[in-house]
Amino acid sequence: KAGVTQTPRYLIKTRGQQVTLSCSPISGHRSVSWYQQTPGQGLQFLFEYFSETQRNKGNFPGRFSGRQFSNSRSEMNVSTLELGDSALYLCASSLEASLEQFFGPGTRLTVL
Amino acid sequence: KQEVTQIPAALSVPEGENLVLNCSFTDSAIYNLQWFRQDPGKGLTSLLLIQSSQREQTSGRLNASLDKSSGRSTLYIAASQPGDSATYLCAAFMDSNYQLIWGAGTKLIIKP
Repeated sequence: KAGVTQTPRYLIKTRGQQVTLSCSPISGHRSVSWYQQTPGQGLQFLFEYFSETQRNKGNFPGRFSGRQFSNSRSEMNVSTLELGDSALYLCASSLEASLEQFFGPGTRLTVL
Repeated sequence: KQEVTQIPAALSVPEGENLVLNCSFTDSAIYNLQWFRQDPGKGLTSLLLIQSSQREQTSGRLNASLDKSSGRSTLYIAASQPGDSATYLCAAFMDSNYQLIWGAGTKLIIKP
């Protein structure tokens, strides 16, 4: 069974640009959660999608958004990038958010 | 405020020792608690998930316990090996806001 895949693995952007990250969950998983990981703040929850609906959202500004498609693949978008958005962005899939979550390798975003 | 705390932040032990990693949480209304491993620059690997109704879970040399009343979980690693070197994170899934709350992790180094 294929694991969670994330593309791209690495990204370098400049301030003010926007970026879209992609996550393909494990087959059959309908819940996809996104997290931001930084050395200073650790892991922080961004949002969770289930069957194309955002069910839960963390405390991030509106510049962070996401969506989920009918095949459960998910994208997250960050607009007007800031230096502080540099982080490892992780997505996790599960049958249901409250069950065991399986993580992808992450996308390392660097904002210059 | 819901918080998850991991102590110690770092731990270095010789190969072969048995060791215990600690995780405490402030809100006892957890749905489950998960332990993860993260290798440098990589995503997270799920190790063990304990439901709130369970007291412990075992997988190979790993044993995780959960005591909701005291707000604590421990991860016991038997006969440690250099390959166990990684950062170990615990995360509690909260009933109230339906999301994982993360600890900052324990960086474990096993010396050959």
